[in-house]
Amino acid sequence: DQQVKQNSPSLSVQEGRISILNCDYTNSMFDYFLWYKKYPAEGPTFLISISSIKDKNEDGRFTVFLNKSAKHLSLHIVPSQPGDSAVYFCAASDYNNNDMRFGAGTRLTVKP
Amino acid sequence: GAGVSQSPSNKVTEKGKDVELRCDPISGHTALYWYRQSLGQGLEFLIYFQGNSAPDKSGLPSDRFSAERTGGSVSTLTIQRTQQEDSAVYLCASSLASANYGYTFGSGTRLTVV
Repeated sequence: DQQVKQNSPSLSVQEGRISILNCDYTNSMFDYFLWYKKYPAEGPTFLISISSIKDKNEDGRFTVFLNKSAKHLSLHIVPSQPGDSAVYFCAASDYNNNDMRFGAGTRLTVKP
Repeated sequence: GAGVSQSPSNKVTEKGKDVELRCDPISGHTALYWYRQSLGQGLEFLIYFQGNSAPDKSGLPSDRFSAERTGGSVSTLTIQRTQQEDSAVYLCASSLASANYGYTFGSGTRLTVV
């Protein structure tokens, strides 16, 4: 049961342009959402999060948008840099739950 | 250490053998999680330890899988009678408290069952 879905397995953008990574979820109990970034042969690293009381959270070049009615969130990276090339995982949890559900990941390639 | 340490980084084993994967969490982190990532799949929750509480084993895929956490620190994930479908990257993560603080992941153990 894939409760968190990242429907685009890959995305390629030009350096300097915007990268938009999308994520959909099915469980209406989820109220906390995170994005993780993973380089090859390394574990995922926390990037940015958002709670359900907000619809936007910004940290430098990274902004996460949450649309609760659509059960959709997105990560915007602007401007994109070659060092952003990695696999990005979307994750969701509810506050009282122990486990966090992850999407399958989207491989972002930023071309110089 | 400064991060979450996992060993071995790679393990090739024959079908039917038992394997043990080790995780050293960040010192002071009370929560420890095991996930696995199979090819083309997302991160699949396996088991969660929080302090001295009974672990949440709801994600373990079969009774061939078990995990321990000794002294609230090091954890060992054991897979008995390995099968080819067990081949995956097994990731350990730790955090200060619950999932909402964000996890720090180890680099993972790539298990290949031949």
